[in-house]
Amino acid sequence: EAGVTQFPSHSVIEKGQTVTLRCDPISGHDNLYWYRRVMGKEIKFLLHFVKESKQDESGMPNNRFLAERTGGTYSTLKVQPAELEDSGVYFCASSPGTSYNEQFFGPGTRLTVL
Amino acid sequence: RKEVEQDPGPFNVPEGATVAFNCTYSNSASQSFFWYRQDCRKEPKLLMSVYSSGNEDGRFTAQLNRASQYISLLIRDSKLSDSATYLCVVFSGGYNKLIFGAGTRLAVHP
Repeated sequence: EAGVTQFPSHSVIEKGQTVTLRCDPISGHDNLYWYRRVMGKEIKFLLHFVKESKQDESGMPNNRFLAERTGGTYSTLKVQPAELEDSGVYFCASSPGTSYNEQFFGPGTRLTVL
Repeated sequence: RKEVEQDPGPFNVPEGATVAFNCTYSNSASQSFFWYRQDCRKEPKLLMSVYSSGNEDGRFTAQLNRASQYISLLIRDSKLSDSATYLCVVFSGGYNKLIFGAGTRLAVHP
């Protein structure tokens, strides 16, 4: 069974540009999460989808970040315009069910904003 | 104050040593607790869940003390392959999200 996949694995952009990250969860997993780790800090929650609905987006840093999950399958996270402090590793995770189940993480997208 | 606090290490130990990691969490309403392992430039992977009664998986033993809001991980007979960052993670059921500690780095040397 395929795991969580993320694309791209690396992205280097200039300040002010736009970047879109993609996550494909494990098939059948209704829950999809985005997390971020910036240099030297802990991994932090960004938001949670249940199917196509945003369940919790309390961790989104500001309105430059937009997450979507049309059709309840894959998700995209767009950063527009990117700032230097957006650099970090963006992880996507998925899990089945409505109560806690193990969250399976993708390999992450390493974003560098110059 | 961070929600989950860990000693960042690094812990440098020889093969065969026993090493213990500790973690404290601030939200007494937290429901579930875990240790994740993260290898360099890789994603976090669940190592084991942590229960009040304690649980053991081979060389690994995890313990939870709810009264003290304290979680521990003990690794016996360390192997070179145990070298990684160990993340203390709390699941906040009310918010359905994982809250991570910054991680404790372990380096096992020959």
